[in-house]
Amino acid sequence: AQSVTQLDSHVSVSEGTPVLLRCNYSSSYSPSLFWYVQHPNKGLQLLLKYTSAATLVKGINGFEAEFKKSETSFHLTKPSAHMSDAAEYFCVVIEAGSARQLTFGSGTQLTVLP
Amino acid sequence: DTGVSQNPRHKITKRGQNVTFRCDPISEHNRLYWYRQTLGQGPEFLTYFQNEAQLEKSRLLSDRFSAERPKGSFSTLEIQRTEQGDSAMYLCASSLGTVNEKLFFGSGTQLSVL
Repeated sequence: AQSVTQLDSHVSVSEGTPVLLRCNYSSSYSPSLFWYVQHPNKGLQLLLKYTSAATLVKGINGFEAEFKKSETSFHLTKPSAHMSDAAEYFCVVIEAGSARQLTFGSGTQLTVLP
Repeated sequence: DTGVSQNPRHKITKRGQNVTFRCDPISEHNRLYWYRQTLGQGPEFLTYFQNEAQLEKSRLLSDRFSAERPKGSFSTLEIQRTEQGDSAMYLCASSLGTVNEKLFFGSGTQLSVL
């Protein structure tokens, strides 16, 4: 079965510095991977998705992620953090099967310091 | 706002009581999903509908949990004889049902069982 592991439960960065949120996946074949963001009292929002078209995926709000098959990783990055980026971030894989339900990682809480 | 709507936002109940949550998906979306999220964890898939048909329900946590989507539009999730362990955020999402589709999530219903 497919799964994802988020390597850090909390990440703190200063405003204007780079963001790196790490995710490793486990899959027996080429997976479909996503990053979702969850702001307090708001619904989960899709940041970006990888579906084998290109290994470097650009998303909303300046985020991007690179699919590295050799490392089974799909890390999320942003060159310069903004205060509004503070939120919970989830790495997600689609499970095989007709339901194609999302399997979420345990999440990384990003704090942006002024 | 024509996003996914969930009601109520918060529900406090006593152990042993029944509760029902409602989800109104985006109108043209034919797939509807229910997820549960506990503190510090990513959302966990429960069940999903394709129009009015419930195509996957094996992940429902127990036979106390049931979901309906009678006319293929809104959906309800019912928990009978609630237990303290049922306390969580219950999330609804909808999509068009295409491959690798984007899910749109509601803000969730926070259940507290006393």
